[in-house]
Amino acid sequence: EAQVTQNPRYLITVTGKKLTVTCSQNMNHEYMSWYRQDPGLGLRQIYYSMNVEVTDKGDVPEGYKVSRKEKRNFPLILESPSPNQTSLYFCASRLGYGNTGELFFGEGSRLTVL
Amino acid sequence: AQSVTQPDIHITVSEGASLELRCNYSYGATPYLFWYVQSPGQGLQLLLKYFSGDTLVQGIKGFEAEFKRSQSSFNLRKPSVHWSDAAEYFCAVGARADNDMRFGAGTRLTVKP
Repeated sequence: EAQVTQNPRYLITVTGKKLTVTCSQNMNHEYMSWYRQDPGLGLRQIYYSMNVEVTDKGDVPEGYKVSRKEKRNFPLILESPSPNQTSLYFCASRLGYGNTGELFFGEGSRLTVL
Repeated sequence: AQSVTQPDIHITVSEGASLELRCNYSYGATPYLFWYVQSPGQGLQLLLKYFSGDTLVQGIKGFEAEFKRSQSSFNLRKPSVHWSDAAEYFCAVGARADNDMRFGAGTRLTVKP
C-alpha cells in the first residue's frame, strides 16, 4: 500500500530535549516536505526536499533541521524544542517538483513541548 | 504573494442537506487550486484539483468545486451531505512550478443527524 509513515504519532517532551520525528514514503517520490498545522493558521511549510541531499527552507524553518540521505526518508529534527513548537506536524511527498502531482500526507505527529 | 482565505471557521449542516464551503485566493498568475479533507486523526487527502479547462471540477466522495476567476473563488460543494463528511476541509493554491502550495486556515464541518 502506498503510504507516508510518520513516527511517533504522539509525543510529549520537555524544553531543550532533542527529538526526531521520522518520515518514510514507499512511493519512490522525489519531493518531500514537512508542515506544521496550528489552529487558525492552516498548514505552513517548514522544510522541503526535491531529492536526495537537496533540502531548502520553507516559511517557518526556525528551530528545525532536516536531512535527506535516502530517497524514502526525511526526518525532522528539533535540536532544542521550545513550547512554541507544540503543534501537529505532517510529512508529505509527491512524485516530482511542481504542483501538478498529488501531495500525499502522513497521518500526523502531535508534539507537545512542556 | 499567494494567499488563501476560508471565511468560515466552522459550519454545521444537517445530514442530507447541501453544502458549500467558500475559498478565496490571491494569486498573481494562473493558480493551481486544490481542496483537501482531513478526517479526525488522519492526514490530508486530496478531494479535487483545478489546473485549467472546465471550471467545474468533480472530485472524490461526490464533491465538486467551481473556479470563478472573476471572483477569485474556488468553492467546494456537495448536494447531499453524509455524516461521514464531518471533517476539516482545506483549500490550497499553488503555481505549476512551485515547490509548495499555500493552505487556507481550514473549515470544520459538523454534520447533524
